[in-house]
Amino acid sequence: GEDVEQSLFLSVREGDSSVINCTYTDSSSTYLYWYKQEPGAGLQLLTYIFSNMDMKQDQRLTVLLNKKDKHLSLRIADTQTGDSAIYFCASRGRGSTLGRLYFGRGTQLTVWP
Amino acid sequence: NAGVTQTPKFRVLKTGQSMTLLCAQDMNHEYMYWYRQDPGMGLRLIHYSVGEGTTAKGEVPDGYNVSRLKKQNFLLGLESAAPSQTSVYFCASSLGGTGANVLTFGAGSRLTVL
Repeated sequence: GEDVEQSLFLSVREGDSSVINCTYTDSSSTYLYWYKQEPGAGLQLLTYIFSNMDMKQDQRLTVLLNKKDKHLSLRIADTQTGDSAIYFCASRGRGSTLGRLYFGRGTQLTVWP
Repeated sequence: NAGVTQTPKFRVLKTGQSMTLLCAQDMNHEYMYWYRQDPGMGLRLIHYSVGEGTTAKGEVPDGYNVSRLKKQNFLLGLESAAPSQTSVYFCASSLGGTGANVLTFGAGSRLTVL
């Protein structure tokens, strides 16, 4: 199956930008996702990008996709303490198991005031 | 909108006991999934279903069984619980198909096996 890798921890100061990186192995991945998990809660979709796009912007969030390097990043501008959470990268591949997503281990983002 | 509802939210079992986790969704989604989340391991897929009456194995299916008798419900069963099954379990559902297939997650069920 697909391998999705991301760093486990990131700390930033409030007001700075955060960049969370992710790499994946399946070059046929069709969609790539970012989910956010707050303490004690389930995962919530932040944004996703289709594989034929290089960039997607949504308010403070910018997603960059480099298909050649199989690299995905999530940039959060003007990071706030409320952004502290675990961020999961996920990919959707082709194949018989349509709909199945492969998740990374999650990046714990800590925002210091 | 309730979305995806998991019951129970917390449960403590003794080794060898059995239990069932219930997942219900009210979005008419075709696909449903059960994941477990362990520290540093991310989310691992246990079983999933692409429609009523169907189930399939994920990455870590051993020790679990599932049933999808009704489209809106997906049950996860532990026949003989083991301490290694101590985890937080998440149910998710999605429309399926070839589009973005965004997953909607429940709030989780924390299971402790003593």
